[in-house]
Amino acid sequence: NAGVTQTPKFQVLKTGQSMTLQCAQDMNHEYMSWYRQDPGMGLRLIHYSVGAGITDQGEVPNGYNVSRSTTEDFPLRLLSAAPSQTSVYFCASRREGAEGNTIYFGEGSWLTVV
Amino acid sequence: GQSLEQPSEVTAVEGAIVQINCTYQTSGFYGLSWYQQHDGGAPTFLSYNALDGLEETGRFSSFLSRSDSYGYLLLQELQMKDSASYFCAVEGGFQKLVFGTGTRLLVSP
Repeated sequence: NAGVTQTPKFQVLKTGQSMTLQCAQDMNHEYMSWYRQDPGMGLRLIHYSVGAGITDQGEVPNGYNVSRSTTEDFPLRLLSAAPSQTSVYFCASRREGAEGNTIYFGEGSWLTVV
Repeated sequence: GQSLEQPSEVTAVEGAIVQINCTYQTSGFYGLSWYQQHDGGAPTFLSYNALDGLEETGRFSSFLSRSDSYGYLLLQELQMKDSASYFCAVEGGFQKLVFGTGTRLLVSP
């Protein structure tokens, strides 16, 4: 059971380039989300999805696009990278249960925009 | 809007008990979660409170008072491996989880 898998782990981009961060989960979770974490900060929600074909914006959606064509995959696209998007990105999926809503995070993608 | 406040850093010694507080302001409230994150790692789920009271999971306990918009994480019998950042998070709206800025716990021998 792989859980939540993110790729790539590290990436350096030039300003203006575009790229896609991949995220896949094998737990059949309906809810998936993308967060960014800046140094010394908490996680901020970029976009989330409550199921295939359904996405919505979080706190900091500008400059990012998402799609959810399958339950398993939730890619995050940077349209035109900017230095302000230098951050660590975490993909997460969520299990809902009687004991509460547990979120499982991927290992993170370290992105540097120069 | 939504905001959460946590102390930025807490220090303690091995074997001690430490409490990390979290106060929140949200437009709605469904539950308070706690996550642990070691440097360079991903956050991992510790506990969740939807109702008032204490939830205990091994050495970790979490408390919630919805009337006070307040919760805390209690770590007992501290170990060196507990040195990490701890985040509280509130689900204040439909499927939206908002995180605090984190508390860095330093455990010394």
